[in-house]
Amino acid sequence: DGGITQSPKYLFRKEGQNVTLSCEQNLNHDAMYWYRQDPGQGLRLIYYSQIVNDFQKGDIAEGYSVSREKKESFPLTVTSAQKNPTAFYLCASRYGGQGGSPLHFGNGTRLTVT
Amino acid sequence: GDSVTQMEGPVTLSEEAFLTINCTYTATGYPSLFWYVQYPGEGLQLLLKATKADDKGSNKGFEATYRKETTSFHLEKGSVQVSDSAVYFCALNNYGQNFVFGPGTRLSVLP
Repeated sequence: DGGITQSPKYLFRKEGQNVTLSCEQNLNHDAMYWYRQDPGQGLRLIYYSQIVNDFQKGDIAEGYSVSREKKESFPLTVTSAQKNPTAFYLCASRYGGQGGSPLHFGNGTRLTVT
Repeated sequence: GDSVTQMEGPVTLSEEAFLTINCTYTATGYPSLFWYVQYPGEGLQLLLKATKADDKGSNKGFEATYRKETTSFHLEKGSVQVSDSAVYFCALNNYGQNFVFGPGTRLSVLP
């Protein structure tokens, strides 16, 4: 079955360490996204990528970095510059850019930084 | 900019009750509208969508109609089940790459 795989499901890190969250999709989607979700809040866009080797900042990109070397993969690095990194991170992908094309989500990675 | 407003939760209902979760939006043009559902510890799943005015999206007993005149996309279900307990998100996409999500409405259904 096609889908989006995020790993690991839970991640624990010490403050000051960089950490990379994995996102892989086998849906053959061109666009991929990273969102952050905090308790009781909606989703906030961190980065998105429409094609390989190209990506754009979202609303809260500070302290994060991404790469898109392969169509299937869009890893997110949470750097030590991110002031409040503990959150639930969701990766998504989308086929094409038409307005009716929905986002497909992975099951998320819960990051805890202490 | 574009925005989505949802009714404040949590919403608590008894099994077999009627559900309405209100969603209104602000956007230029004619955005596509979506409802997503999130179960505990999981990602979001597409529940239904509508791409133009008066379209009705439906899935698993849930329905929502795209009302351009009232800029609304309210989610309804005639008889909820305990398994419908989740957080529901209304979202729009306005012909760009970005989606705008509402804050989510938590639904609890009691047996």
